[in-house]
Formats: sequence, structure tokens, C-alpha cells
Amino acid sequence: GPKVLQIPSHQIIDMGQMVTLNCDPVSNHLYFYWYKQILGQQMEFLVNFYNGKVMEKSKLFKDQFSVERPDGSYFTLKIQPTALEDSAVYFCASSFTANSDYTFGSGTRLLVI
Amino acid sequence: GQQVQQSPASLVLQEGENAELQCNFSTSLNSMQWFYQRPGGSLVSLFYNPSGTKQSGRLTSTTVIKERRSSLHISSSQTTDSGTYLCAMERNSGTYQRFGTGTKLQVVP
Repeated sequence: GPKVLQIPSHQIIDMGQMVTLNCDPVSNHLYFYWYKQILGQQMEFLVNFYNGKVMEKSKLFKDQFSVERPDGSYFTLKIQPTALEDSAVYFCASSFTANSDYTFGSGTRLLVI
Repeated sequence: GQQVQQSPASLVLQEGENAELQCNFSTSLNSMQWFYQRPGGSLVSLFYNPSGTKQSGRLTSTTVIKERRSSLHISSSQTTDSGTYLCAMERNSGTYQRFGTGTKLQVVP
């Protein structure tokens, strides 16, 4: 079926540096999401995005986080600067409407050292 | 508090046994989706089931909105079913899916 692609699959970065996680959503989907999962813990919502705007964000979506999708290209999550507690797997998802099923990517494993 | 509760937290089955996984939610429900999370972490969508019963092979999902619960039934379990099963519910139309804490399933030969 249609897939969400996430690039890179793994990223190791020094604390304080900037990182950009890339997501290529399903082509006709209009709603985009980022989730964060620390190893062995619950999947937590970060942010959703529609029509070029953030719709909702959680408390985990710190000021150092930002999202964008310039000109229909990748949907990106940028963290600047990174902190040790940002180490986690970040999952991107997309859906056609606000209340249809989600398609998830395979995740980007981010390690901040 | 936790809006989506899954039970049991973990389960060990002998191959061939059946399993019933539960997802209970404390608020009204707009949609419900079940996922299988592979040991490597990637998510596979099993069912999008806002209400009623859906079946796919050995898996059956039933969502009862009035009772604020959804279940996933696995029949004739296989070792390849091992992994974590997650339910995710959307409370209102236009919001986001909230995940449960997951059920970790291990099927042994």
C-alpha cells in the first residue's frame, strides 16, 4: 500500500547542534503528524499540520521544535538546539482527512550525545 | 489522566492459543485504529475501526462506542505474531490520535 518515507533512518548528533528530520508523506494526504517514542515507552503526539499551519501541538513540542512543508516537498521536523532528552524515535504519519486512518513511517532513531 | 488504557500490559501465549486484547477509553470516541509495532519499531496498521466489527484473516477488531472500548482478537496465534499491539483513538473530529500504552505479546512454540 502507500507508504510514508522517513529520512534518515538513524541520526547521531552532538547536543546543541541542529537536526532536521524528513518525512515524505503519502502523496494525496493532507494532514501530517509527528510522534515521539522513547525506547520502551508510549507513543506521544507532538504536532499536527494542515494547509501549511500547525493545528495542534503538545507540551512535548518545545520552543526548540519547528515544522514546515515548503512547496509540497518533505514535511520536516527541526530541532534547534538539540538536548539529550530529545533522543528518541520520531515517527511521521499522514492521513487524507482529519478523521481517516493514519499511515506511519518507519521512524527516525535520533541519538543526541 | 490516561485517556486510553490497554490491557493486558503483557501476555505470553503458547502457539495456537487465542488472545483478546482490550483498549478502553475515558472520553467519547471519533475513531479507533489498531497497530502492530514490530520489534524493530515500525508500525503496521491492522484496522481502522471507528465502530462495529472488522475481520482480516486471524484478526478481528470490535469497537463498541457506547461502552468506550475496542478489542483485538487474535486466533490461532503464531510465533510471528509476537510484538507490541497499540490502539490509538481520536477523541474528536479534527484532533489527533492518542495512543494506548500497548500490549506486549510473546507467542512461544
